[in-house]
Amino acid sequence: GESVGLHLPTLSVQEGDNSIINCAYSNSASDYFIWYKQESGKGPQFIIDIRSNMDKRQGQRVTVLLNKTVKHLSLQIAATQPGDSAVYFCAENRANQAGTALIFGKGTTLSVSS
Amino acid sequence: DAGITQSPRHKVTETGTPVTLRCHQTENHRYMYWYRQDPGHGLRLIHYSYGVKDTDKGEVSDGYSVSRSKTEDFLLTLESATSSQTSVYFCAISPGGNTEAFFGQGTRLTVV
Repeated sequence: GESVGLHLPTLSVQEGDNSIINCAYSNSASDYFIWYKQESGKGPQFIIDIRSNMDKRQGQRVTVLLNKTVKHLSLQIAATQPGDSAVYFCAENRANQAGTALIFGKGTTLSVSS
Repeated sequence: DAGITQSPRHKVTETGTPVTLRCHQTENHRYMYWYRQDPGHGLRLIHYSYGVKDTDKGEVSDGYSVSRSKTEDFLLTLESATSSQTSVYFCAISPGGNTEAFFGQGTRLTVV
């Protein structure tokens, strides 16, 4: 079936390194994608989004890349810090006749060591 | 937290009892969502609403019903709770279908 998923459930990096978190999606009709960060005991928080008419978008220390040809999304975090340790989710908006649903992947746990 | 309040924040209930979770927003956003979060499954969409009295099923809607009689409130009901519905439930709101969603703090539900 169609799904949004992440390639790796865990990622461990050293402080100061760059982190890359990947996500594959299968619904070619999806036109909006979001990355969320979730810290323990809290709800997911918005990091960055990208629409399908773009292939790259940059924020503060984060960059999202979208490759529609292979249906791949990635989140790059520059100079990773201990405070970046969290679970990261990609999500896509899927539209149907009723409305638009926000569908999440399973998440990648990022661990940053000092 | 973007004007979202989930209640209760924690609940323990017995198998077979009805349970209603409430999501209240002060942002006047059109879209509201209910998700459940379980280890190894990420966030799974239960139901969502795209306007007053307009709702649709999500990925895991069996055993759940929802109602939205006014813009600010979205209720999730477990008609007869089962142990498999033990989870953390998140509400989210969004001004439109193709914009970011803002999440509440979650409700931890335990069915014993």
